[in-house]
Amino acid sequence: AQTVTQSQPEMSVQEAETVTLSCTYDTSESDYYLFWYKQPPSRQMILVIRQEAYKQQNATENRFSVNFQKAAKSFSLKISDSQLGDAAMYFCAYRSPNTGNQFYFGTGTSLTVIP
Amino acid sequence: EAGVVQSPRYKIIEKKQPVAFWCNPISGHNTLYWYLQNLGQGPELLIRYENEEAVDDSQLPKDRFSAERLKGVDSTLKIQPAELGDSAVYLCASSSQGRNNEQFFGPGTRLTVL
Repeated sequence: AQTVTQSQPEMSVQEAETVTLSCTYDTSESDYYLFWYKQPPSRQMILVIRQEAYKQQNATENRFSVNFQKAAKSFSLKISDSQLGDAAMYFCAYRSPNTGNQFYFGTGTSLTVIP
Repeated sequence: EAGVVQSPRYKIIEKKQPVAFWCNPISGHNTLYWYLQNLGQGPELLIRYENEEAVDDSQLPKDRFSAERLKGVDSTLKIQPAELGDSAVYLCASSSQGRNNEQFFGPGTRLTVL
């Protein structure tokens, strides 16, 4: 099975600054999809951004962008101009088309935004 | 469009009692997932349905846990009897068949076993 590793259990960032959350994964597949999900305290998990492995261009959604390094199997999330509402748990996830709709999640990074 | 609906949101029971959780996925989503999430951890898959068929239940503790999705729409997850270690958040998610489609999560049911 694929494994997803988030090596930073906790991170903090000053409001308006930039922070990068790391994620690595282990796979032998060439076609797959990667996601970052956000889970605010006691609230629903929502999608932040997705990346298709066959696309070389890094995905961007407003203040959120990824650095996808396929050879290194790395998928980091950059949050620019951090806001108080960005405080949450962030989960990296991997999806393989070859195993149907199976998702694999990392253990998460807890992000604190300091006013 | 309504999102994934779960009920109840919170449940407190004593150990050895039964408990059931209900999930209604987004309309048209064929795939339904039940996850267990412990505090500060990522979701761990319990069971995945494609329509009414359970295609991956390898992580479901079958001695006490059961699930069903009889008509391929809503689903029920049951624990009988509950143990102290079952205290966690139980998440339901759904997705459609597209190759790059995301999962949509419900708000979860927070179970406390006393």
